[in-house]
Amino acid sequence: QQQVKQSPQSLIVQKGGISIINCAYENTAFDYFPWYQQFPGKGPALLIAIRPDVSEKKEGRFTISFNKSAKQFSLHIMDSQPGDSATYFCAATFHPNTGNQFYFGTGTSLTVIP
Amino acid sequence: DTAVSQTPKYLVTQMGNDKSIKCEQNLGHDTMYWYKQDSKKFLKIMFSYNNKELIINETVPNRFSPKSPDKAHLNLHINSLELGDSAVYFCASSPPTGTEKIYNEQFFGPGTRLTVL
Repeated sequence: QQQVKQSPQSLIVQKGGISIINCAYENTAFDYFPWYQQFPGKGPALLIAIRPDVSEKKEGRFTISFNKSAKQFSLHIMDSQPGDSATYFCAATFHPNTGNQFYFGTGTSLTVIP
Repeated sequence: DTAVSQTPKYLVTQMGNDKSIKCEQNLGHDTMYWYKQDSKKFLKIMFSYNNKELIINETVPNRFSPKSPDKAHLNLHINSLELGDSAVYFCASSPPTGTEKIYNEQFFGPGTRLTVL
């Protein structure tokens, strides 16, 4: 089953607006929550990540909000730009002896209209 | 100086053929992965391979098999290709668990677009 649930599937935002993507998880063994950004024809690349001991992390226009009790986290893109148009994946990880294990959400296709 | 590389970038082949996709990482990571991304952009984990231990996603057909000649390489072999295998395949790697730096980051290759006719 899908270990990390992501919504919305697609999002259209005007330039300068705020883009918000939400994710939820169930497994309390997860201890690291990265967001990946994927441009067409490229592999996903790490955008920003958070550990569950903090409620918010901000890097430039990108902010992760984390609610441990609700098992939810979200990505906020402030002042969205056309160059932010991409597919965004949330993920959750844990670390058995067999190596880091990653569970990805289903992705959100973001389009920022000029 | 590409971190994770894959070859070929495009692969077009007929149903029933056997093909391989190569992956190499020069990051010194100890865990490598293969993902399948379908037309809806879903990223499905197929395998993870760590210190010679393989973890298989149980939904992956046994026509798919990873082969690791050494720590820096994890190749994907596909036998008896089917139309439904058409997708983009990504290789990725991550550092050892517990490494102080961003130990959870996963680095992806550029992808191989497989088209089965």
